[in-house]
Amino acid sequence: NAGVTQTPKFRVLKTGQSMTLLCAQDMNHEYMYWYRQDPGMGLRLIHYSVGEGTTAKGEVPDGYNVSRLKKQNFLLGLESAAPSQTSVYFCASSRSPANTEAFFGQGTRLTVV
Amino acid sequence: GENVEQHPSTLSVQEGDSAVIKCTYSDSASNYFPWYKQELGKGPQLIIDIRSNVGEKKDQRIAVTLNKTAKHFSLHITETQPEDSAVYFCASRGGSYIPTFGRGTSLIVHP
Repeated sequence: NAGVTQTPKFRVLKTGQSMTLLCAQDMNHEYMYWYRQDPGMGLRLIHYSVGEGTTAKGEVPDGYNVSRLKKQNFLLGLESAAPSQTSVYFCASSRSPANTEAFFGQGTRLTVV
Repeated sequence: GENVEQHPSTLSVQEGDSAVIKCTYSDSASNYFPWYKQELGKGPQLIIDIRSNVGEKKDQRIAVTLNKTAKHFSLHITETQPEDSAVYFCASRGGSYIPTFGRGTSLIVHP
C-alpha cells in the first residue's frame, strides 16, 4: 500500500523553465491538495480538487496550474519558474466526507536558481 | 476564511518533561481538529484528532483538548522522549472541507 507518492523528490530549475510535479494516490480518495512549505510559514494551500475533473484555487495559487484528469492523480505545473517558488511541495489526499484524515506524500524539494 | 494561530513556534524541553502546544481558530463552523507530526525530511503524519462533540481525547502519552466556546485546542505530550522531536502542526476543518494549518511548532527534546 503506497499511499501518496510524489514525483520527483528533488529538482533544480533555472528561472523561466517549466516543470510538472506528479502526485498519485492509491486510496481512492476524492479530495487532493497541493501545499507549499516555507520556513516559518507552515503549510499553505496552492490548489485543491474535490473530485476527478475539478480544481480550485487555494491561498497561494499564482504562478501554478493544476489538473485532475484521473481520480488517482493530481498534477501541479509551474509554467515559468521563479526563485520565489523555491520551496518544499507536499501533496495530500483525503476521502469524503470532510472530517477525515489527510494523508501526505514525502514532499518534493524544488530549487529555482 | 478560517484562520489558525499556533503557539509557540519553538518549544525546548528536557526528556521526561511535558510539552503543550496551543492553537486557536476563527470559524465557529469548524468541527474537526487534527494534529500532525512532521519528522525531518518527511511529510506530515496524523498523530491524533478530535471532533467538535468531544472535549478531550487521549492516546498513550498524547492528549488533545478542545474548548469550542473559546475556539482553542491544545496538544499535550507527557513524558517526552527524544523521538518526539519534530515539527507539530495543528489544523482546523469546517464546512469548506479544506483543512487550514497552523504555522507549526518545532519541538526539541533534550536527552
